[in-house]
Amino acid sequence: SQQGEEDPQALSIQEGENATMNCSYKTSINNLQWYRQNSGRGLVHLILIRSNEREKHSGRLRVTLDTSKKSSSLLITASRAADTASYFCATALNTNAGKSTFGDGTTLTVKP
Amino acid sequence: NAGVTQTPKFQVLKTGQSMTLQCAQDMNHNSMYWYRQDPGMGLRLIYYSASEGTTDKGEVPNGYNVSRLNKREFSLRLESAAPSQTSVYFCASSAGTGGSGANVLTFGAGSRLTVL
Repeated sequence: SQQGEEDPQALSIQEGENATMNCSYKTSINNLQWYRQNSGRGLVHLILIRSNEREKHSGRLRVTLDTSKKSSSLLITASRAADTASYFCATALNTNAGKSTFGDGTTLTVKP
Repeated sequence: NAGVTQTPKFQVLKTGQSMTLQCAQDMNHNSMYWYRQDPGMGLRLIYYSASEGTTDKGEVPNGYNVSRLNKREFSLRLESAAPSQTSVYFCASSAGTGGSGANVLTFGAGSRLTVL
């Protein structure tokens, strides 16, 4: 069964607006990662947040983690058409290989 | 840098045929993975290799075998393909166990497999 679940499943916004995607999970984790997948391509790692961190930034990306609610959010500010993609969260139970579980993703469409 | 390279990019098989998907990485990563992605869904782990010489089952290993040929290469074999194995297959690699870098995956471009 999937550990992480993204919400919403699909999101459509205008260029320049902010996009927020959420990820909920069920069990305690070591870290959580966000990935982007452009249509027909492989996933690209965006950001990793550890369980003892509450917020991380990378360029126009802001990720928060609330371990008490077992949830994370990914905020993309000032969105661009090039941000159109699917976004996946992956939760890792520990830092051993093979312990990341992916959610089903949020499909973001940014209209020019 | 090539990163993670998968071949072939596309393949059509008939039910019962066999094939091997090849994967190679040039980042000196210890761990390698095979995932499948079905339409509208996330990735499900088929098999992984935490380090050279070891392989372990993931969430959906039935119908597949893997070989960690050396540190660079990790192949996925379908011995007798079934329509349920129609999917997009992704190979990935990570630095290895210990430290959160173990969970940062670098993916290949994917191999689209159709089983008729």
